[in-house]
Amino acid sequence: KAGVTQTPRYLIKTRGQQVTLSCSPISGHRSVSWYQQTPGQGLQFLFEYFSETQRNKGNFPGRFSGRQFSNSRSEMNVSTLELGDSALYLCASSGYLNTEAFFGQGTRLTVV
Amino acid sequence: AQKVTQAQTEISVVEKEDVTLDCVYETRDTTYYLFWYKQPPSGELVFLIRRNSFDEQNEISGRYSWNFQKSTSSFNFTITASQVVDSAVYFCALSSDDKIIFGKGTRLHILP
Repeated sequence: KAGVTQTPRYLIKTRGQQVTLSCSPISGHRSVSWYQQTPGQGLQFLFEYFSETQRNKGNFPGRFSGRQFSNSRSEMNVSTLELGDSALYLCASSGYLNTEAFFGQGTRLTVV
Repeated sequence: AQKVTQAQTEISVVEKEDVTLDCVYETRDTTYYLFWYKQPPSGELVFLIRRNSFDEQNEISGRYSWNFQKSTSSFNFTITASQVVDSAVYFCALSSDDKIIFGKGTRLHILP
């Protein structure tokens, strides 16, 4: 069974640009959650999608958005990038009721 | 509100010593799940264990053991006879209300 795949692994963007990150969950999993990990704030929950609907949202500004497709693949978009958006973005794939979450290797975003 | 506290930011022990990582959680839910994850330098979060709120049995898996005590809202993780390969950041997490909330992690250094 393939694991969670995140692309790209690394990104460098400049301030003001926008970026799209992709996550393909484990086959059969319908829930995808996104997290931002920084040295100062730790792992912070961004949002969760289940069956193409956003089910939960963390405390991030509207520049952070996401969507989920019918095949459960999810994308996360950050617009008008700021230096503080530099982080490791992790995607987690879950089966029913979030009783287990399996993570991808993450996308390391650097904003310069 | 849900919260996970890992009071130990960083721990260093000499190889073969036992080490316990503390985790204290807060939730108003009666049904919830607790997790431990390991994050090696590669960045991917590796699932270690899940417990549900109705199962307070302690669990042992090789050199790893977990102590779940509902009375003190704690879910502590012990590594027996630590090895250098155990060096990583360890996260405790709580799942309830369709969200998984992480503690800030404990960085564990196992010194040869």
